Parts: sequence; structure tokens; C-alpha cells
Amino acid sequence: KAGVTQTPRYLIKTRGQQVTLSCSPISGHRSVSWYQQTPGQGLQFLFEYFSETQRNKGNFPGRFSGRQFSNSRSEMNVSTLELGDSALYLCASSLLADSYEQYFGPGTRLTVT
Amino acid sequence: DQQVKQNSPSLSVQEGRISILNCDYTNSMFDYFLWYKKYPAEGPTFLISISSIKDKNEDGRFTVFLNKSAKHLSLHIVPSQPGDSAVYFCAASGDAGNTGKLIFGQGTTLQVKP
Repeated sequence: KAGVTQTPRYLIKTRGQQVTLSCSPISGHRSVSWYQQTPGQGLQFLFEYFSETQRNKGNFPGRFSGRQFSNSRSEMNVSTLELGDSALYLCASSLLADSYEQYFGPGTRLTVT
Repeated sequence: DQQVKQNSPSLSVQEGRISILNCDYTNSMFDYFLWYKKYPAEGPTFLISISSIKDKNEDGRFTVFLNKSAKHLSLHIVPSQPGDSAVYFCAASGDAGNTGKLIFGQGTTLQVKP
């Protein structure tokens, strides 16, 4: 079974721009969570989607948003990029909404200049 | 306020010996704990987990111990192998209704020397 895939793997953007990252979960998995990893803050939860509905949201500004499609694929969007948004963005999928084990993709490395 | 803490940023052990990675948490509502391993340029890989109703879970060379009264868990790797060299993250979940939200520690870099 294919793992979680994320596209693109690397991205360079300029301050003020917006970006959309994509995540395809493991086949059959219906829950998708997003995390931001930075050297200073570690891995921090962004949001979680299940059946196209956001179930949980972390402590991030409204510039960070996401959505999930009927095929469970998910996208996250960051508008008005700031230098501090440079990070590794990780997507994780799990089978059901109440499944604890999450399986991560390789991440998208975003650099904001 | 960091709810999950890994106080040792790094650990170095000899091949064949035991590696013990530690994790402390503050939120007594957590009811499920997980360990992930991460290599550079890859996403975290799920290793092993434990429910709060247990105090030990074993999977091959990996054993996780949970001490609820001390709010402490540890991951034992026996015997350690050079391929185990990676960053290990402890994570917690289970704040009712928030099972999809994992709270991670800062990670411990394990180096296993041949």
C-alpha cells in the first residue's frame, strides 16, 4: 500500500505571497492532520480533517487554512507569507477519526525569502 | 506551556547495548502515547504506542513503559543497532475529542556507535 504523499516536496516563496500544499493519505484512510516543524518550536499541530470537516485546529493565525476533499485528499493554504512560516509541513493520515496512530508523509519544505 | 517534554536532546550508546529514551508529560487527560522515529528529510515513522490503561507494550526490540503516577514514559531499544540512529519523538493524544491532535516532545537524537 502506498504511503502518504505530499506535493511539492520543496518550495521557495517570497514574503506576502500565498502557497498551497497538497497531501494524499494512505488509501482507505479518512482522517488527515497537518503539522508544522521548525527548529525552535518542534512539531506543532495545525489542523485535522475528517470527512471533509475540520475537527480540530491548533494555535495558528487565520492565514493558515485547509480543506479536505471527498476522496480524503487534503490541501493547506498559507496566505500573506511571513519569514517565520519557513518550515517543514507534514501531513499525517489515520484510518478513522478516533484512530490514534498517524502515518506521516515526507513533508513539504517551505522557504520564505 | 510544553505539555510533553523530552529533556535529553541527545543520547549516544554503543551498538548492542540498551538505549533508553525518556519523556515526561503534564496533562493527566492524555490517554494514549506514541513514539516516532525521524530520519533527516523524511517524515516521522510510527514505532510503538501505549494506552494509558497499560504500563508496558513490547514490539520486537522496542518496549515502551508508562508510569502514570509520575507522568513519565520511556522507550527501550534492545539491542541498539547503528540503523536506529535518528531523532525520536514522543507524542501524546486523547484529550477527549482530540484524538487526531498529537502533542509532540522536542525530540531526542540517538546515535548508536558501531
